[in-house]
Amino acid sequence: LAKTTQPISMDSYEGQEVNITCSHNNIATNDYITWYQQFPSQGPRFIIQGYKTKVTNEVASLFIPADRKSSTLSLPRVSLSDTAVYYCLVGDIRAAGNKLTFGGGTRVLVKP
Amino acid sequence: GAVVSQHPSRVICKSGTSVKIECRSLDFQATTMFWYRQFPKKSLMLMATSNEGSKATYEQGVEKDKFLINHASLTLSTLTVTSAHPEDSSFYICSAIAGGSTGETQYFGPGTRLLVL
Repeated sequence: LAKTTQPISMDSYEGQEVNITCSHNNIATNDYITWYQQFPSQGPRFIIQGYKTKVTNEVASLFIPADRKSSTLSLPRVSLSDTAVYYCLVGDIRAAGNKLTFGGGTRVLVKP
Repeated sequence: GAVVSQHPSRVICKSGTSVKIECRSLDFQATTMFWYRQFPKKSLMLMATSNEGSKATYEQGVEKDKFLINHASLTLSTLTVTSAHPEDSSFYICSAIAGGSTGETQYFGPGTRLLVL
């Protein structure tokens, strides 16, 4: 399982773009990169998933360089409600017996 | 995305009693589900992998006789905390794997808050 490293916390202001980088130097060929958002006392919510290059959906973008040893979650124009913990997970859950383990996550605080 | 539900959302019980938590995949079938626990201000810790029709696989350090897992159907897995004690008080979260636009993805339930008195 690829171990992930993220900053412990980040502060931002409303309307700014927030970029969270996750390092995963030991990522395997079949591993995908998935980001989750978690609010207190709630289960993690799926944000975005990718394998390489760039993925974009209605809430975020995910940038993955060619070597795939890191990835960056980009949240455009954050609001106060984006204050949460963001987790980067790396793995291939399609493979039998595989599982995703959580790292420490990044606590993002959005200020007014 | 796929929806995973948990019941109950919170439960308070007396020490020594058993508590059952249900995890359901509402709009998809899941041959594999996962159970996590989370302490305040901490990350999620994987407890076990629940496999439909077979025994669960427990992570190192998790007592299988204390945390009984049953995955009797493709949409339901249950976690029973047997003879609960105050140190079992925690936030329990399940997840299931479903197909997504970018491949298979793990979706999480809303969690169950357990308080053992």
